[in-house]
Amino acid sequence: DAGVTQSPTHLIKTRGQQVTLRCSPKSGHDTVSWYQQALGQGPQFIFQYYEEEERQRGNFPDRFSGHQFPNYSSELNVNALLLGDSALYLCASNGWGGPSYNEQFFGPGTRLTVL
Amino acid sequence: AQSVTQLGSHVSVSEGALVLLRCNYSSSVPPYLFWYVQYPNQGLQLLLKYTSAATLVKGINGFEAEFKKSETSFHLTKPSAHMSDAAEYFCAVSEPTNAGKSTFGDGTTLTVKP
Repeated sequence: DAGVTQSPTHLIKTRGQQVTLRCSPKSGHDTVSWYQQALGQGPQFIFQYYEEEERQRGNFPDRFSGHQFPNYSSELNVNALLLGDSALYLCASNGWGGPSYNEQFFGPGTRLTVL
Repeated sequence: AQSVTQLGSHVSVSEGALVLLRCNYSSSVPPYLFWYVQYPNQGLQLLLKYTSAATLVKGINGFEAEFKKSETSFHLTKPSAHMSDAAEYFCAVSEPTNAGKSTFGDGTTLTVKP
């Protein structure tokens, strides 16, 4: 079992650019959540996808968008990058309503640096 | 709305000493509570979780936590610290229906002195 995987590991962008981060959930999981972890802070919930739809959203602007594919993998897109978007982006997966619904597994994260 | 407060952003203990990391939560519904550990440049690893069963929860690596509703607390303890326990620890809360949407505290950095 590969667990939750994310790509790329690191990414450097400049202000105003757009970025796409990718996540594959743990085998058997159908729900993906994205978190932003700024340096020295705890993760903050961005949004959650289930059945290819955004089910929950945190307090993030519309510049942050996502997608879930039929194989449950997911993408996080950020447009018009700001310096403040520099962070570790974490993907987590769990099962919606199944035996693994009450525990989420995290990937290693993508470190985004905006210059 | 839910929130988590971790008291003490930095905790330092000697190897072999008791580890106590404090977490208080606020939730309008019965909460699920979690402790995670994060090593540098890595993701989060679940240490233990409370999901409304036993109030004393045992986790991996000798850690345990006790859910105290009256105190709205979920403190993490380990009887004897090991050098490998040095890391960042996060407490998190979620609603019972959606563990995938968690609210995290700001974390506590644990330093273990030889």
